[in-house]
Amino acid sequence: DTAVSQTPKYLVTQMGNDKSIKCEQNLGHDTMYWYKQDSKKFLKIMFSYNNKELIINETVPNRFSPKSPDKAHLNLHINSLELGDSAVYFCASSHRPEDEQFFGPGTRLTVL
Amino acid sequence: AQSVTQLDSQVPVFEEAPVELRCNYSSSVSVYLFWYVQYPNQGLQLLLKYLSGSTLVKGINGFEAEFNKSQTSFHLRKPSVHISDTAEYFCAVSPPGSGNTGKLIFGQGTTLQVKP
Repeated sequence: DTAVSQTPKYLVTQMGNDKSIKCEQNLGHDTMYWYKQDSKKFLKIMFSYNNKELIINETVPNRFSPKSPDKAHLNLHINSLELGDSAVYFCASSHRPEDEQFFGPGTRLTVL
Repeated sequence: AQSVTQLDSQVPVFEEAPVELRCNYSSSVSVYLFWYVQYPNQGLQLLLKYLSGSTLVKGINGFEAEFNKSQTSFHLRKPSVHISDTAEYFCAVSPPGSGNTGKLIFGQGTTLQVKP
């Protein structure tokens, strides 16, 4: 059984479009995260939600909007996509913020 | 601001040889330290973590790391590597006071290439 799943796995789109990436975890965790991994494999946290409440919002453009409909889901919506948004986006979850984070397989976003 | 430096971007090594992947962090106060592994086209998986206590931490797949507070280092070691250890390895730190947010700051990653 997949613990943290993301859809889609690959996303290719044109500049200016709006797209969403979905994340679901079946671990019963209360905390979920979004990370961005750039072409040099550098990983940086974008957002964190604990019990559906936003607790980390790192200097991310407001074109990025996370949405947590329930504790098992954290979706990422991106408006007006730019070339620089091309990256691999990872979702993760943990039981509590201080616990081990479990990562999803990633979504490779390519903006043309 | 907190930072993590992985001193080697690539480490080539022959199978069954020992390996050390180096990690230094900037904080002089107590932090939590982690090593994650990323196999090709996969997400990250926790290898080991240091929260407190013994400075030698053992993880999965035969890896271990030693926390050195005076040198602000957390180097990862394995006495004998396998081809299957070929992957990207990330050192990460949870900054002081971030325990209630889960914020992790990652190093740049080290590519371990195990050759037959």
